[in-house]
Amino acid sequence: NAGVTQTPKFQVLKTGQSMTLQCAQDMNHNSMYWYRQDPGMGLRLIYYSASEGTTDKGEVPNGYNVSRLNKREFSLRLESAAPSQTSVYFCASSEGWGWQETQYFGPGTRLLVL
Amino acid sequence: AQKITQTQPGMFVQEKEAVTLDCTYDTSDPSYGLFWYKQPSSGEMIFLIYQGSYDQQNATEGRYSLNFQKARKSANLVISASQLGDSAMYFCAMREPHSSASKIIFGSGTRLSIRP
Repeated sequence: NAGVTQTPKFQVLKTGQSMTLQCAQDMNHNSMYWYRQDPGMGLRLIYYSASEGTTDKGEVPNGYNVSRLNKREFSLRLESAAPSQTSVYFCASSEGWGWQETQYFGPGTRLLVL
Repeated sequence: AQKITQTQPGMFVQEKEAVTLDCTYDTSDPSYGLFWYKQPSSGEMIFLIYQGSYDQQNATEGRYSLNFQKARKSANLVISASQLGDSAMYFCAMREPHSSASKIIFGSGTRLSIRP
């Protein structure tokens, strides 16, 4: 039982390049999330998916797209990377949708955009 | 308006002492959940403890307890008998059911350093 896994762990991009961050969970959770964490700050929600086949914007969606490929997998795509997207990206999942649901996080992907 | 406030950017504590990390929150919703996460230097976010707004008793998980004072909108984390491995960033977070996304809102964190 690996929980939430993310690939890659670390990536360097040049401005304008594209890439996809992968996330998978084996806990049979319905909801999945993508966050970014900038230095000295807490996490901010980029996109979320309440269930397979649905996605919605979070607090900071500009410059990103997502795909909920199936119940297990939720990917985040940067179409044209910018230095402002240098951050640590966390994927998370939770079983349901309510305010009592605990989110479990992956190990993070450190992205540097030059 | 900031919804989660952690006023201690950094703390130093002697090993084996108890430590309290402060967290205040702001919401008009009667239903909400409060969470604490630990982020060690390796970077992962580790769930520590949860308190529901309707819970009558303070949550406890091993050496972690949450001092929940609803009227003051305070949810402080107490770590008893601190250990060197407790050195990390600690984030307080809140989840509301009626926000535009049922997302977790994080505070800015407190960096805890345990001295041997």
